[in-house]
Amino acid sequence: KAGVTQTPRYLIKTRGQQVTLSCSPISGHRSVSWYQQTPGQGLQFLFEYFSETQRNKGNFPGRFSGRQFSNSRSEMNVSTLELGDSALYLCASSRAGLATDTQYFGPGTRLTVL
Amino acid sequence: ILNVEQSPQSLHVQEGDSTNFTCSFPSSNFYALHWYRWETAKSPEALFVMTLNGDEKKKGRISATLNTKEGYSYLYIKGSQPEDSATYLCAFTSGTYKYIFGTGTRLKVLA
Repeated sequence: KAGVTQTPRYLIKTRGQQVTLSCSPISGHRSVSWYQQTPGQGLQFLFEYFSETQRNKGNFPGRFSGRQFSNSRSEMNVSTLELGDSALYLCASSRAGLATDTQYFGPGTRLTVL
Repeated sequence: ILNVEQSPQSLHVQEGDSTNFTCSFPSSNFYALHWYRWETAKSPEALFVMTLNGDEKKKGRISATLNTKEGYSYLYIKGSQPEDSATYLCAFTSGTYKYIFGTGTRLKVLA
């Protein structure tokens, strides 16, 4: 069974640009969550999508947005990049996004903003 | 804002030592406590999902206990091996919030 995949793995952008990250969940999983990790911080929850609808949202500015397609693949977009957006972005999929579901993580996208 | 705290932040142990870490979480509106192992250059890997007060889970040399009334979970590693070197994360889920992660305990097992 293929795991969660994320593309691209590495990305370098400059301030003010926008970026789109992609996540393909495990087959059969309908929930996709996105997290940001910066040095010294735990994984910070960005948002969760289930059946193409955003169900939960973390405490991030509106520059961070996402969507989910009918095949459960998800994209995350960050507009007007700031230096502080440099981070590892992880996506995780689960069957139904229940609080007791195990989440399976992708390898992450390392974003560097110059 | 709910907080999940893990201690210690990091530790070094000798091969063969047993060790344990703590995860503290809010005791109200508890749904589940998750433990993950995150090795360098890999994805976080799920270890346990714990839901009931008094739960004990075991996977090989790793085990975990849960106390939802006082809001803590312990992760134990018996006879640590170099391949156990990783960051161990816990995550709390409640009725309101999806996963809230602690900052992790970084374990280094010295051969």
